[in-house]
Amino acid sequence: GQNIDQPTEMTATEGAIVQINCTYQTSGFNGLFWYQQHAGEAPTFLSYNVLDGLEEKGRFSSFLSRSKGYSYLLLKELQMKDSASYLCASMDSNYQLIWGAGTKLIIKP
Amino acid sequence: TAGITQAPTSQILAAGRSMTLRCTQDMRHNAMYWYRQDLGLGLRLIHYSNTAGTTGKGEVPDGYSVSRANTDDFPLTLASAVPSQTSVYFCASSERGITDTQYFGPGTRLTVL
Repeated sequence: GQNIDQPTEMTATEGAIVQINCTYQTSGFNGLFWYQQHAGEAPTFLSYNVLDGLEEKGRFSSFLSRSKGYSYLLLKELQMKDSASYLCASMDSNYQLIWGAGTKLIIKP
Repeated sequence: TAGITQAPTSQILAAGRSMTLRCTQDMRHNAMYWYRQDLGLGLRLIHYSNTAGTTGKGEVPDGYSVSRANTDDFPLTLASAVPSQTSVYFCASSERGITDTQYFGPGTRLTVL
């Protein structure tokens, strides 16, 4: 079956760095998305990786290893506003998105 | 621009009643989607539309129907609501298709009693 695994919850300190991991098992692969979702709000797009390697966008970076079925989202210089859930989604060979349940990130001062 | 709007924001519905959740986008996106989000589960696709006039079934389509009469509107109808349809419903759109960034509406919180 198809599956996305990511930690349920993580805690980090303001100003620090945190890495949120995502492993996926899908029938084929056509890319991996990361979305941010603040409590009670809609998900918003963060990144899309289809090739191996690291893509950096300001304080946020996303990494993909297709051979390992693994991705991570790296958040640097954490701010209180980064407290949110981070959703990982893998696109399979039929171009269907398989979503993880999300990782709730709690930032402490 | 407003992006995507959904109505109502929240609703309590008696089991067996019908309801239509409304979704409108002003970005002229071709593709639109309906998801449900339940605690502890990932977003699950209910129905989608790649372009006006076409619709398709997602992962959990039973008990739901959609129509896409024009580019902007993509209503979701529950013909006879059941308690298991209690959820938060998100409408989303993307410019061309599933490989593009999806833009989500604010969601509708539905409780079926």
